[in-house]
Amino acid sequence: NAGVTQTPKFRVLKTGQSMTLLCAQDMNHEYMYWYRQDPGMGLRLIHYSVGEGTTAKGEVPDGYNVSRLKKQNFLLGLESAAPSQTSVYFCASSPRRGHSVYGYTFGSGTRLTVV
Amino acid sequence: KNQVEQSPQSLIILEGKNCTLQCNYTVSPFSNLRWYKQDTGRGPVSLTIMTFSENTKSNGRYTATLDADTKQSSLHITASQLSDSASYICVVSLVYGGSQGNLIFGKGTKLSVKP
Repeated sequence: NAGVTQTPKFRVLKTGQSMTLLCAQDMNHEYMYWYRQDPGMGLRLIHYSVGEGTTAKGEVPDGYNVSRLKKQNFLLGLESAAPSQTSVYFCASSPRRGHSVYGYTFGSGTRLTVV
Repeated sequence: KNQVEQSPQSLIILEGKNCTLQCNYTVSPFSNLRWYKQDTGRGPVSLTIMTFSENTKSNGRYTATLDADTKQSSLHITASQLSDSASYICVVSLVYGGSQGNLIFGKGTKLSVKP
C-alpha cells in the first residue's frame, strides 16, 4: 500500500519555465490537497479538490493551476515559474473533509528550486 | 484571524529525557486538534487527533493534552529516543474551512535528541 506518492522528488527550474507535479493516492480518498512549506512558516494550502473533476482555491493559489481528471491523481502546474515559488510542495489526501476524525495522509514532498 | 502558535521554536534534549511541546490556538469554530511528526525530508505523519471533548490521548511514548477552555495543547514525549528528532506540528481543524481549508498549521517545534 503506497499511500500518497509524489513525483518528482526534486526539481530545479529556470524562471519562466513550466512544470507539473504529480500526486497519486491509492486509498480511494475523495479529498486531495496541495500545500507548500517554506522555512519559518506553517504549511499553506494552494489548491484542493473534493472529488474527481472538481478543484478549489486555497490560501495561496496565485501562479498555480490544478486538475483532478481521475480520482486517484491530483496535478499541480506552474505555468511560468518564479523564484518565489521555490519551496517544498506536499500533496495530501483524506477520505472526507478535515474536520472529521480521519487524518490526512501526506506524500514525501517535492523540493522545487526556481533560479 | 485563525492562528496556531507553537513553542519553543526549537529544543535540544538528551536521549532518555522527557520533554513537552506547547501549542496555543485562536481558531473558531474548533473541530479537532492534531499533532504531526515530520522527519527531515519527509511528509508529516499523524500522531494524535483530539476532539474538543477529549482531554488527553496517547500514542506510545507520545501523550497529547487539550484544554479547550484555554485553547492550549501540549505534546509530551517520554523517554526520548534519537528517532524522535523531528519537527512536531500542531494542527487545528476548523468546522468550516475558508480559503485556508479545514486545517490551520503551526510552524512546528524542531526537536533534536542528542546521545
